[in-house]
Amino acid sequence: ETGVTQTPRHLVMGMTNKKSLKCEQHLGHNAMYWYKQSAKKPLELMFVYSLEERVENNSVPSRFSPECPNSSHLFLHLHTLQPEDSALYLCASSQGIQGNYGYTFGSGTRLTVV
Amino acid sequence: TQLLEQSPQFLSIQEGENLTVYCNSSSVFSSLQWYRQEPGEGPVLLVTVVTGGEVKKLKRLTFQFGDARKDSSLHITAAQTGDTGLYLCAGVDNAGNMLTFGGGTRLMVKP
Repeated sequence: ETGVTQTPRHLVMGMTNKKSLKCEQHLGHNAMYWYKQSAKKPLELMFVYSLEERVENNSVPSRFSPECPNSSHLFLHLHTLQPEDSALYLCASSQGIQGNYGYTFGSGTRLTVV
Repeated sequence: TQLLEQSPQFLSIQEGENLTVYCNSSSVFSSLQWYRQEPGEGPVLLVTVVTGGEVKKLKRLTFQFGDARKDSSLHITAAQTGDTGLYLCAGVDNAGNMLTFGGGTRLMVKP
């Protein structure tokens, strides 16, 4: 596989469930990102990892918990979510953390919280 | 925080028409990127412009970076239904920090 792969593509979960989103990149990139994309809102940066260390946490509620076990994998653990957390969650990677490298995005996970 | 405003937010046109969408800021960017996001997919990088006044062409798409590096435009000639999607601009500040994304222009090209 090439590029950035996200699983699952679609997820429906109850407010009391615990689930995880997975992202995998096969590009040899050193930085990985989680973004939230809601209808009629700009992309919201959630977390940034550079060389497996978290470098940015944009005031994200603690019900979202990221994990980066190595430079190729990124997870987003979800628990006790709210209906307003329903959105498209996008993972991206880049060669370095500087923005001028450009980002490669996955296809996203469409999350619905019921 | 550097803000990027994109206009129009929505655009619906017929196949074959030309269009221009804009990306504006009061801040200077060292470079600016354009992405297209098709329904059900993630954004895909189309182009990066670096020099003030730079013009880049990608088939029927023409990208221009403003002379002062505060704004950019994307012009599509003879739009096709396959051009339908969300067009996002993203800027890098002079410190080389992470990308700042605009709110996007949602384009629909009707057959």
